[in-house]
Amino acid sequence: SQQGEEDPQALSIQEGENATMNCSYKTSINNLQWYRQNSGRGLVHLILIRSNEREKHSGRLRVTLDTSKKSSSLLITASRAADTASYFCATDDDTGGFKTIFGAGTRLFVKA
Amino acid sequence: EPEVTQTPSHQVTQMGQEVILRCVPISNHLYFYWYRQILGQKVEFLVSFYNNEISEKSEIFDDQFSVERPDGSNFTLKIRSTKLEDSAMYFCASMKWDSGELFFGEGSRLTVL
Repeated sequence: SQQGEEDPQALSIQEGENATMNCSYKTSINNLQWYRQNSGRGLVHLILIRSNEREKHSGRLRVTLDTSKKSSSLLITASRAADTASYFCATDDDTGGFKTIFGAGTRLFVKA
Repeated sequence: EPEVTQTPSHQVTQMGQEVILRCVPISNHLYFYWYRQILGQKVEFLVSFYNNEISEKSEIFDDQFSVERPDGSNFTLKIRSTKLEDSAMYFCASMKWDSGELFFGEGSRLTVL
């Protein structure tokens, strides 16, 4: 299966702390993305990292990619209560088809 | 800001009935997707569509499912004969080009009784 698998499944932190979520996947990829989903809502794209990149930043988000270990991490710095959501990694494989596969997600709860 | 819109937001149907879920992707996007999410579970890929034909489909997307882009703006998912296990949120997504970034609608909640 191409799916990414997130770790941990759930994470509870205090506002101001950093949150780190990890994702592992199984096959070669073109890119890896992170999405956010508020409860009952659609997914929102956060950041995309290509297979030839190792690190990417966007505001308070930092994503790393280690293709040798087939893993990625998402770091949210200085978390806020509004960051409470589920976070999913998603991968596009390198077979040329259009098939973005999502992992099971990490549920992040930031306590005010 | 352009967005993907989905209708209906919630549909309740009896088992065995046909259901059509509608999506209007962002107007200059070329790639279209349907996903489903059973409550509290993972987001599952159903099908992708490009150049008026199915590009990829999952094992879930069996003969009971079909997709259509009938008029250049709408993108529909039809479930021919619904089962209880089809109850889920169905998300439509579109992508401008092969950039990888998917734009999602807010979903259609399907409840099969």
